[in-house]
Amino acid sequence: EPEVTQTPSHQVTQMGQEVILRCVPISNHLYFYWYRQILGQKVEFLVSFYNNEISEKSEIFDDQFSVERPDGSNFTLKIRSTKLEDSAMYFCASTLRTDNNEKLFFGSGTQLSVL
Amino acid sequence: AQTVTQSQPEMSVQEAETVTLSCTYDTSENNYYLFWYKQPPSRQMILVIRQEAYKQQNATENRFSVNFQKAAKSFSLKISDSQLGDTAMYFCAFTKWAGWYRDDKIIFGKGTRLHILP
Repeated sequence: EPEVTQTPSHQVTQMGQEVILRCVPISNHLYFYWYRQILGQKVEFLVSFYNNEISEKSEIFDDQFSVERPDGSNFTLKIRSTKLEDSAMYFCASTLRTDNNEKLFFGSGTQLSVL
Repeated sequence: AQTVTQSQPEMSVQEAETVTLSCTYDTSENNYYLFWYKQPPSRQMILVIRQEAYKQQNATENRFSVNFQKAAKSFSLKISDSQLGDTAMYFCAFTKWAGWYRDDKIIFGKGTRLHILP
């Protein structure tokens, strides 16, 4: 089965530093998402992306966050100035289309630790 | 706003037994999807089973089946003949269906940690 690939699997950074989390969605998929899960808590929606622009974002996704699809294959999440509370597992997901039973594929996640 | 509630934070059962995980949800939507996702210790999110709200028949996937009660807004997961590999966190989840597109902003419950004991 095709996979969504996320790199790195673990990232450690200092508070205030910028981080970029990388995702390679399944090649023919058109809709892309970022979710996050703080340890021990539920998975939360951050942002959806289609046709090179943000479709929807949650209140978590403030000005410190941005997403980009720079080259047609990668889908990145940038956190401009990390805070301690950004420590979480970040999941990328993709799907081909949303008008039928196509399922959402999740990556294995990037564990971000902000020190 | 939609909410998903899982009232069992943690459960343990013996291998080969049957276990049922509970989930209730609240929505004013008539058309939607419900899901159960499994998250093993690796923390990957794996889709276990999916139910379309307009279908009355309960979804099944091998040892996994659901009891979907639309009027009661209840969506429980039954795991038959449980195996050690079923040990994981299980999340119930909801997404609305607008008729011509599926909103993939998924609303997750807080999860039930399931331990299968040898």
